[in-house]
Amino acid sequence: KQEVTQIPAALSVPEGENLVLNCSFTDSAIYNLQWFRQDPGKGLTSLLLIQSSQREQTSGRLNASLDKSSGRSTLYIAASQPGDSATYLCAVLDSNYQLIWGAGTKLIIKP
Amino acid sequence: DVKVTQSSRYLVKRTGEKVFLECVQDMDHENMFWYRQDPGLGLRLIYFSYDVKMKEKGDIPEGYSVSREKKERFSLILESASTNQTSMYLCASSFPKGLAGFETQYFGPGTRLLVL
Repeated sequence: KQEVTQIPAALSVPEGENLVLNCSFTDSAIYNLQWFRQDPGKGLTSLLLIQSSQREQTSGRLNASLDKSSGRSTLYIAASQPGDSATYLCAVLDSNYQLIWGAGTKLIIKP
Repeated sequence: DVKVTQSSRYLVKRTGEKVFLECVQDMDHENMFWYRQDPGLGLRLIYFSYDVKMKEKGDIPEGYSVSREKKERFSLILESASTNQTSMYLCASSFPKGLAGFETQYFGPGTRLLVL
């Protein structure tokens, strides 16, 4: 059964630093992987979607990579800002067309 | 902009009550989903629907039912609320799989339910 893990559960860094969030999954048979952002009191917002045939996707200061064979994805945030503070979740679309979610990494950017 | 709305942001109910959570989307999406989110766990799928009057069980359907009488509305029903159903409930919608791949899901703001 597919399992998705995000480590660490929480991360605090000073403003301006570059940082990497990690996501790992146990079964490489996936259709895609997505990174979402969740702000308190708000729903989830999709940040980046990487199809299984792709290696990475970029949007502004965000870059997500996918290594299907090793079951890993990273979300790179450049020049972090306090507004980046949120919980970041990754999810894989598995071979049964179900989204399997990680528990998230709570990111705090200190001004 | 896609908009997914949920009827309540916060709810407090008593054990044994019947609870209705409503979700409405305005993008004519075929797919709609109900998840619950608990600390330290990923989102877990309760039920989903690919069309009006159609429903499929997710990973944790026990104690829940759903209703989709209209395309834009997907309701989650707790038949007899229990304390272990205290959670954040998230509704989502999406288009079905297209030629370009699977479409992303759009989420509502969530309903935080407390069952006493």
